[in-house]
Amino acid sequence: AAGVIQSPRHLIKEKRETATLKCYPIPRHDTVYWYQQGPGQDPQFLISFYEKMQSDKGSIPDRFSAQQFSDYHSELNMSSLELGDSALYFCASSLDSLSGANVLTFGAGSRLTVL
Amino acid sequence: KQEVTQIPAALSVPEGENLVLNCSFTDSAIYNLQWFRQDPGKGLTSLLLIQSSQREQTSGRLNASLDKSSGRSTLYIAASQPGDSATYLCAVPKAAGNKLTFGGGTRVLVKP
Repeated sequence: AAGVIQSPRHLIKEKRETATLKCYPIPRHDTVYWYQQGPGQDPQFLISFYEKMQSDKGSIPDRFSAQQFSDYHSELNMSSLELGDSALYFCASSLDSLSGANVLTFGAGSRLTVL
Repeated sequence: KQEVTQIPAALSVPEGENLVLNCSFTDSAIYNLQWFRQDPGKGLTSLLLIQSSQREQTSGRLNASLDKSSGRSTLYIAASQPGDSATYLCAVPKAAGNKLTFGGGTRVLVKP
């Protein structure tokens, strides 16, 4: 069965650079979530999209932005990178979240290292 | 603000023993509760989801219970195996489609 695909799996950037992470949800899933997991920490919610519209926002820095495209894939753009942005970034998708199914399937994550 | 706590933070057991992992949450107005497994540096694998109207869910050697009124869920893993070694996280959304709040996880080591 198709899963949530994230790319790239690993990314190394310098401080103040920009990074873009991509997420391809499970086909027919209508909601995409982004999470950030720092070393030794639990995942923290960043932002979510339902049917290509932002549906919820968590602790996402102003330097970050995200969008969901017409094909339902999503991109997380991070600018002016800081050392503290080094983390594992997860994308998750779900189907019919507004009707309550809300079973999130997570991707394998993208590991960002900022030097 | 919802807070989710998992105790213990780490657990080491010999192979064959049953595992009991605890999860507590401060706001009982949850829609469901989900248990995940995470291997080091890897993604999150959903193990079980319990709807707020349910008391428990079972899948193979895994059984999860939910007591909304007391704000607790317990994950039982029977006859543990070395392959069960991982970090187990519980997470709750406040409503359908809402963001998940995760517990800090319990790091499990099953020794052969």
